[in-house]
Amino acid sequence: EDQVTQSPEALRLQEGESSSLNCSYTVSGLRGLFWYRQDPGKGPEFLFTLYSAGEEKEKERLKATLTKKESFLHITAPKPEDSATYLCAVQAGAAGNKLTFGGGTRVLVKP
Amino acid sequence: NAGVTQTPKFRVLKTGQSMTLLCAQDMNHEYMYWYRQDPGMGLRLIHYSVGEGTTAKGEVPDGYNVSRLKKQNFLLGLESAAPSQTSVYFCASSHDSSGNTIYFGEGSWLTVV
Repeated sequence: EDQVTQSPEALRLQEGESSSLNCSYTVSGLRGLFWYRQDPGKGPEFLFTLYSAGEEKEKERLKATLTKKESFLHITAPKPEDSATYLCAVQAGAAGNKLTFGGGTRVLVKP
Repeated sequence: NAGVTQTPKFRVLKTGQSMTLLCAQDMNHEYMYWYRQDPGMGLRLIHYSVGEGTTAKGEVPDGYNVSRLKKQNFLLGLESAAPSQTSVYFCASSHDSSGNTIYFGEGSWLTVV
């Protein structure tokens, strides 16, 4: 059974204080690992896809990396508008088109 | 630019009542999904559809039924609501089976008392 675990559950940062979120996974035949951002009262929005170990993707202050067992979402010099819940999900070969989500990390960036 | 629209947004039900959540998408997507989101548990797939007239069970299908009579609509039904079904429900649609083409609705908050 595919499993995704995110840590920490919550993260409080000062504006400009860089940090990383972790997504650990166990899957059989990884097809892709996905990061989403979810604002309060909204649905998740797609951020990145990573397909193989060593791959990196960047968007503004966010950088996602992937190893064979985990993914990191690095937030560099965060701003208050980066406050959100960040979700990680995996798609495995045996699961077809089904995504398995982690519990998310709630990030609060204080000015 | 509607995208994925869910109705209703909020609903309170009594135990044993039935209701239907409606999801509509205007992107001509083949795939549609219903998820539930509970605190600390992430999103869990209830049912999904890979095209008009098709449905399939996801991770937590018990107590729910779905129908996809039209390509743009995906209905989630609760025949006899239970307090354990108190949750936030998200509908999503995607062009293909990849997680990078998936679009979510804004959620439906359901409380069963």
